Amino acid sequence: AQTIHQWPVAEIKAVGSPLSLGCTIKGKSSPNLYWYWQATGGTLQQLFYSITVGQVESVVQLNLSASRPKDDQFILSTEKLLLSHSGFYLCAWSPTDSAETLYFGSGTRLTVL
Amino acid sequence: GQQVQQSPASLVLQEGENAELQCNFSSTATQLQWFYQSPGGSLVSLLSNPSGTKHTGRLTSTTVTKERRSSLHISSSQTTDSGTYLCAIDRGSNYNVLYFGSGTKLTVEP
Repeated sequence: AQTIHQWPVAEIKAVGSPLSLGCTIKGKSSPNLYWYWQATGGTLQQLFYSITVGQVESVVQLNLSASRPKDDQFILSTEKLLLSHSGFYLCAWSPTDSAETLYFGSGTRLTVL
Repeated sequence: GQQVQQSPASLVLQEGENAELQCNFSSTATQLQWFYQSPGGSLVSLLSNPSGTKHTGRLTSTTVTKERRSSLHISSSQTTDSGTYLCAIDRGSNYNVLYFGSGTKLTVEP
């Protein structure tokens, strides 16, 4: 069975500090991977997607970057956090060549102070 | 403007009643998906239905592509159905990118 693990569960960070959020998928080779973000009370927005190792496509510019260093790992990061980065971050995967069904991690709640 | 509009914004039902949620979208879509977001924030895929009618359990989705609208019918609602229902589309050019509506918050009271 496939599993998706997202870390950390929650973070409280200072403005200007760096951030790294991660996601690992086990039991599925070459998944498509996705990052989403939702401001508190806001609409869910897709940030990035990746269809293969080392290749990441940006969807929304939020002064964030993403990387896929391994087939089963997706990292979201920034060197300097902004207040506007606060919110809920979700990682998801789908089978290769089909985004008909997405499987989500449990999310990371980020508070930037 | 907003790509995906959902209505109503919120809905309160008594257990056992049926719910009808609407999704209208402003661009062509080759993908249309419905998701459930729990009060804690976690997300689950419910249905993928770019056209026609699709059933799963107590859920029925009907999408009329040329009219750019979709509905999600929940029959015999249960308190555990409470949460937010999100509709999302691609824009027909890249199935790896989804655009979400702001959701319908459903509350089912016992």
